[in-house]
Amino acid sequence: DTAVSQTPKYLVTQMGNDKSIKCEQNLGHDTMYWYKQDSKKFLKIMFSYNNKELIINETVPNRFSPKSPDKAHLNLHINSLELGDSAVYFCASRPAGGAEAFFGQGTRLTVV
Amino acid sequence: DAKTTQPNSMESNEEEPVHLPCNHSTISGTDYIHWYRQLPSQGPEYVIHGLTSNVNNRMASLAIAEDRKSSTLILHRATLRDAAVYYCIHNAGGTSYGKLTFGQGTILTVHP
Repeated sequence: DTAVSQTPKYLVTQMGNDKSIKCEQNLGHDTMYWYKQDSKKFLKIMFSYNNKELIINETVPNRFSPKSPDKAHLNLHINSLELGDSAVYFCASRPAGGAEAFFGQGTRLTVV
Repeated sequence: DAKTTQPNSMESNEEEPVHLPCNHSTISGTDYIHWYRQLPSQGPEYVIHGLTSNVNNRMASLAIAEDRKSSTLILHRATLRDAAVYYCIHNAGGTSYGKLTFGQGTILTVHP
């Protein structure tokens, strides 16, 4: 069983489109994150949710809107996609009081 | 943002020990030191974490300097599968939803 799963794994889309990436964790964790890894391989946190509440928003453009329908899911919706949004997006989860974060396999988004 | 300094790259031979250094001179008294690694085309993976004392687990050992301004991740016998980017992070203790801020990491190459 995959602990943190993201769909889709690959996403190719045109500029200006709206797309969503889904994330689910079956670990019962309270906290979930979205990270972006750009072409230079730099991993940057975008959002953190704790028990469905937004905790961290790292000055991400408001074209990016996370949605947490329940503790096990944190989806990322992106409006009006731009070329610079091309990256690998990672979802992660972490238990309350825990040190170990579990990452998904990533979604490679390519905007053309 | 919490800052750590690591060498850009290191090399090792298979079956030999590897010592990966990290400087975290701005670490505060309650920050934990975490190590993650990212294998090619995968999401980051937890390796080990500690506060003051040296730590061992099945993957690695973590040696923490007495003043806590530096630490060393030790892989006792490197294998080809250990080739990855290794990230040293310090993270506020007690807040499981605290962000993990990744630096540029150390690219470890393991030679057969």
